[in-house]
Amino acid sequence: QSALTQPASVSGSPGQSITISCTGTSSDIGSYNLVSWYQQHPGKAPKLIIYEVTKRPSGVSDRFSGSKSGNTASLTISGLQAEDEADYYCCSYGGSPTFVLFGGGTNLTVL
Amino acid sequence: EVQLVESGGGLVQPGGSLRLSCAASGFTFSSYEMNWVRQAPGKGLEWVSYISSSGSTIYYADSVKGRVTMSRDNAKDSLYLQMNSLRAEDTAVYYCVRDRWLLSAFDIWGQGTLVTVSS
Repeated sequence: QSALTQPASVSGSPGQSITISCTGTSSDIGSYNLVSWYQQHPGKAPKLIIYEVTKRPSGVSDRFSGSKSGNTASLTISGLQAEDEADYYCCSYGGSPTFVLFGGGTNLTVL
Repeated sequence: EVQLVESGGGLVQPGGSLRLSCAASGFTFSSYEMNWVRQAPGKGLEWVSYISSSGSTIYYADSVKGRVTMSRDNAKDSLYLQMNSLRAEDTAVYYCVRDRWLLSAFDIWGQGTLVTVSS
């Protein structure tokens, strides 16, 4: 199976909201509510910000939210802040034998 | 503090071998499933392998199957990745990653260790 499909880049101004899409297939995103999202700043390790489609780990801002419709998952960041500028990766469980698929990553620029 | 610290990366020639280690602290290591995830320079994330909490179940990505062996030592709170027959395309930062449960999400990441395969 191929990687999940994300836009290469998105941008927004401070205070605005943006949405990053992540498209898979009926074998991964469409079959399991096991979509997660990761934020990665340059030179740093990724950080989990959304799991099981909509859940936020403790300590993650409620400005981050997740959703899913069919084979597409989405990450929405509201009230954009300069510190949100980073790469974002989606991930889905894909069952055997693929197990895990990542998206190609989306670079978020806060204008 | 929950922490994962990788070691063992470095420069290796094509066809060579390398063993990565990951030391866990701050949580009950033996209760958690673990993974290795890699990231080639300037590229995205790629899942490499998974091991159950007991070590009895292991999964590998097709890109590394037959060339890498994942293992753990719960008595030492340590995770390992033995990498053989290394190729240029294995060049990446390798992250040791804690699993929430059965590949549902990866909640704790190490800082990564760089593996460079080059002659």
